[in-house]
Amino acid sequence: QTVVTQEPSLTVSPGGTVTLTCASSIGAVTSDTYPNWFQQKPGQPPTSLIYTTRNRQSWTPARFSGSLLGDRAALTLSGVQPDDEADYYCALLLLGGWVFGGGTKLTVL
Amino acid sequence: QVQLVQSGPELKKPGASAKVSCKTSGYIFTSSGVTWVRQAPGQGLEWLGWINPYDGHTNYPENFKGRVTFSRDTSASTVYMELRSLRSDDTAVYYCVKDIHFSISHWGQGTLLTVSS
Repeated sequence: QTVVTQEPSLTVSPGGTVTLTCASSIGAVTSDTYPNWFQQKPGQPPTSLIYTTRNRQSWTPARFSGSLLGDRAALTLSGVQPDDEADYYCALLLLGGWVFGGGTKLTVL
Repeated sequence: QVQLVQSGPELKKPGASAKVSCKTSGYIFTSSGVTWVRQAPGQGLEWLGWINPYDGHTNYPENFKGRVTFSRDTSASTVYMELRSLRSDDTAVYYCVKDIHFSISHWGQGTLLTVSS
C-alpha cells in the first residue's frame, strides 16, 4: 500500500515561517508526482493552494510557496497569520492515482 | 466563476446504494476531469477515482473497483458517483473536484453520506 506521510502537527508564531513536508513510501517525491497542497478549516471543504509542485492557484496568497526539499514536497508559509491555522493536506500522483497525505494540523500560537 | 454544486445529504442502510450528483458551471464541462474524494468524520482525505467527462473514461483505485461507478450527463454538465454495497465505514463527506492537467482546483461543497441501520 502506497503511503504519503506528513507531519501530524506543527506550531508556529504569528509572523513566523513554517515548512510542511510530504513524503512518499515508494521513493523520492519529484515533479513527476505533481504535488498539490490544500488547506482545510473546520466544517469547510478543502481549498486548493498549490499545484504541480510550486504553482499557486489564482486565489492563493503569495506567502504560500511550494517546492521540492530533498526527497519530499514542501509547503512554506511565510509571515504566518492567525487565519492560517488549519489542516493542510498534500496529494501526489502515484501509480496512476492520487494519494493524499494524512494532513498536518497547523497551530498559530 | 467555476462552481461545482453537489446534491444533498443522504441516509442509507447497510447494503444499499447511494448516488451523488455534481453539477458544474463556469467552464467547458468536457474540457476538465473530475476527481471524487471522501473524508470520514475526523479523518483525512481519500481518493475515490476520476472521470473524464469528454469520453466517460474512468480510473478507480483498486480498493474501490467494482463498488464505485462514475458517470456523466454532458447535456446537464453533471457528473455522478454511485457507491454500492454500503457499509458503516462508508459514512463520510464526499467531494467532487475539478481536476485538469494535474491541478486539483475547485471543490464542491461536499455531500454527507451516512450509512446506518
